[in-house]
Amino acid sequence: DQQVKQNSPSLSVQEGRISILNCDYTNSMFDYFLWYKKYPAEGPTFLISISSIKDKNEDGRFTVFLNKSAKHLSLHIVPSQPGDSAVYFCAASEDSGGYQKVTFGTGTKLQVIP
Amino acid sequence: EPEVTQTPSHQVTQMGQEVILRCVPISNHLYFYWYRQILGQKVEFLVSFYNNEISEKSEIFDDQFSVERPDGSNFTLKIRSTKLEDSAMYFCASNSNYGYTFGSGTRLTVV
Repeated sequence: DQQVKQNSPSLSVQEGRISILNCDYTNSMFDYFLWYKKYPAEGPTFLISISSIKDKNEDGRFTVFLNKSAKHLSLHIVPSQPGDSAVYFCAASEDSGGYQKVTFGTGTKLQVIP
Repeated sequence: EPEVTQTPSHQVTQMGQEVILRCVPISNHLYFYWYRQILGQKVEFLVSFYNNEISEKSEIFDDQFSVERPDGSNFTLKIRSTKLEDSAMYFCASNSNYGYTFGSGTRLTVV
């Protein structure tokens, strides 16, 4: 039962262009959504989050968009940099207070080509 | 910047043996977690721990698994009798004001 889905296992983008990573979820109880970045041999690193009461959150080059009716969120990285090359995990929680478990998607491997 | 520290980084164990994975969470954090990632698969929740007791666990976290915070700083995951399918990266995480901090993981290889 995959409650959080990332249908693109990989994505290649030229440096300077926009990277768009997509995520879909099925559990309507999810209230808080996060993106994590993971480099090889390291743990996931928190990138950006969004509460279900918002439809957009921006932090520097990173913007997360949430479409609750479609149960879809996306992460935009612009401009993309080679150092952004990593696996990106979408994640969700039923707890907007933040302490319940997080359910991860399967990840999208982003490669930014110089 | 505060870190979650996991030891060892890699552990090889024989099937049927007990293994203990160690974690030192961030000192002022109150919630602690173990996740695992089998090679090529998604990161999966195992267990959460708060106030010295398990607050939630997944179906993966069966009787072979246990967690402990023995001394107020370490947070351990014990697998009593390892199986081949326990081979995975195990990530510890801690959380205080939302935003998990993950450790760099322990790669467990069961042979």
